Amino acid sequence: DSGVTQTPKHLITATGQRVTLRCSPRSGDLSVYWYQQSLDQGLQFLIHYYNGEERAKGNILERFSAQQFPDLHSELNLSSLELGDSALYFCASKAPSGATYNEQFFGPGTRLTVL
Amino acid sequence: ILNVEQSPQSLHVQEGDSTNFTCSFPSSNFYALHWYRWETAKSPEALFVMTLNGDEKKKGRISATLNTKEGYSYLYIKGSQPEDSATYLCAPSFTSNTGKLIFGQGTTLQVKP
Repeated sequence: DSGVTQTPKHLITATGQRVTLRCSPRSGDLSVYWYQQSLDQGLQFLIHYYNGEERAKGNILERFSAQQFPDLHSELNLSSLELGDSALYFCASKAPSGATYNEQFFGPGTRLTVL
Repeated sequence: ILNVEQSPQSLHVQEGDSTNFTCSFPSSNFYALHWYRWETAKSPEALFVMTLNGDEKKKGRISATLNTKEGYSYLYIKGSQPEDSATYLCAPSFTSNTGKLIFGQGTTLQVKP
């Protein structure tokens, strides 16, 4: 158990809908990273938050947004869902800056299926 | 665009065989190289983090080496066991990019009893 929690574990929804994925980092970790793993693709970095502020964006669609709250949990919002958004979404947390060379600890993931 | 390549994509071996995989990555602005082990229906689990050229790390039957000058890392598994079956991911991070990891596609290992 990495100490990172994600809910829900599975999500099935229809095209055009909006969903929210939730992530709670390990106690004491300030950074949260979101990754997407689609069929035949490696883990793709989406977005990074540090202590409530957005730090970096990767291949994140405009239909997707995220935020990190004062209690450090993070939410990834996916809207106007398309079939191609079906994927496994992971969040990972990282110890405060300077520790363990950016080692990240992954949650169990949320599997999103868009029908 | 930072490109991380892993080979082979998949590997099937018999129990007891030793095996190795390769990860290649851009050497510019290198900061650290992470290896993760990812079992089906679980989350990726950190195996090693390496930073220095020539680094070697070992955990049980699994070991890894790092060459930062030419941009590659090898992961070795000695005497593979069925429980080693998993996808092995390498992910470098670079000094220029806020700690995000750039993952390769992974090498999926199946060890047959």
